[in-house]
Amino acid sequence: LAKTTQPISMDSYEGQEVNITCSHNNIATNDYITWYQQFPSQGPRFIIQGYKTKVTNEVASLFIPADRKSSTLSLPRVSLSDTAVYYCLVGPDTGRRALTFGSGTRLQVQP
Amino acid sequence: GAGVSQTPSNKVTEKGKYVELRCDPISGHTALYWYRQSLGQGPEFLIYFQGTGAADDSGLPNDRFFAVRPEGSVSTLKIQRTERGDSAVYLCASSPNRRTSGRGNEQFFGPGTRLTVL
Repeated sequence: LAKTTQPISMDSYEGQEVNITCSHNNIATNDYITWYQQFPSQGPRFIIQGYKTKVTNEVASLFIPADRKSSTLSLPRVSLSDTAVYYCLVGPDTGRRALTFGSGTRLQVQP
Repeated sequence: GAGVSQTPSNKVTEKGKYVELRCDPISGHTALYWYRQSLGQGPEFLIYFQGTGAADDSGLPNDRFFAVRPEGSVSTLKIQRTERGDSAVYLCASSPNRRTSGRGNEQFFGPGTRLTVL
């Protein structure tokens, strides 16, 4: 499985755009990049998944360069409620398989 | 609709005791997963069921841990002779048989059961 590296923590202010970058130098050809969000005392929640270039949904955007060795989760205009831990995962899009989580990035949004 | 539910939300037990943790997946979801999360760490995979059978139990740490899903819906994680190191949040997740395009790695997690072994 490709190993991922992401910052331990980040700080931001309300209304700012937050970009969290994840490195995955050993990503395999059939691997996808998936991001999850976890609030305290809750289970993780799927945010977005992509293979290459750019993916956007109602919550976030995911930017993946051509070499796919890194990816950036972009959260537009964060609010206090975006304070959470964000996990970057890399693996095949087989649907039903064990997910491998790292330690994630703890995002703290301040007023 | 209802999400994944887990009971109890908290469980305190003594070292050496037996515990059972229950997971009710989203109705119709054929795949069910158990994870364990220690403080400050990401969830760690334990076991995955496809229907009634365990498709992958490679994450179970030792033979004190066992899980069942007899009717392909509710699952129970069983821990024998609990140890203090078993203290963690035990998370359950489920996913549907039919994947949504662009969301193939989406699993729906419950709130977890916080297990404390004294």
